Amino acid sequence: EAQVTQNPRYLITVTGKKLTVTCSQNMNHEYMSWYRQDPGLGLRQIYYSMNVEVTDKGDVPEGYKVSRKEKRNFPLILESPSPNQTSLYFCASSPGGGLNYGYTFGSGTRLTVV
Amino acid sequence: QKEVEQNSGPLSVPEGAIASLNCTYSDRGSQSFFWYRQYSGKSPELIMSIYSNGDKEDGRFTAQLNKASQYVSLLIRDSQPSDSATYLCAVRAGGFKTIFGAGTRLFVKA
Repeated sequence: EAQVTQNPRYLITVTGKKLTVTCSQNMNHEYMSWYRQDPGLGLRQIYYSMNVEVTDKGDVPEGYKVSRKEKRNFPLILESPSPNQTSLYFCASSPGGGLNYGYTFGSGTRLTVV
Repeated sequence: QKEVEQNSGPLSVPEGAIASLNCTYSDRGSQSFFWYRQYSGKSPELIMSIYSNGDKEDGRFTAQLNKASQYVSLLIRDSQPSDSATYLCAVRAGGFKTIFGAGTRLFVKA
């Protein structure tokens, strides 16, 4: 089944403890992206990647890191999480930059930082 | 700051009616426009994409684009209770960024 897989689904952590949210897609998509979703603010792009080793900042990159060493994987790293990073996170992938290409989203990771 | 604006709703329509969802965007260089549906507690799923002015139909859904007015809309014909969800408008602006609106909640009354 074509899908984007995120892990974990739920995570509660403490301020300052480094964490990684994994994301993997099995559709050979070139584009991958991380979004966070907060009530009233909608989906905001954190980072995106156009291909292996090519990443760029979205609108809210502060406090996050990403890497794209393999085409299928795009982990999101929080080096020192803070409570304002409590949110619902989505990983998404797309075949490429074609005008009709939208995103396929993962199931989401609900992160709570206390 | 590039923006995508949607009325947050809720928009309430009776079963069988046409639901009309609207979206405006600020970046005139935007090239592609998308509508996603998000059920409560679930991830967004792509419904429609459009990049040329005019209408694009897919089943009960019609996307409409007017680049001169910087306006995108989604019509849902013969609305069903199962269409009750939040509808997200997304715009691929310059480069590879995709910006989402905050969404419109739709409620279809049986």
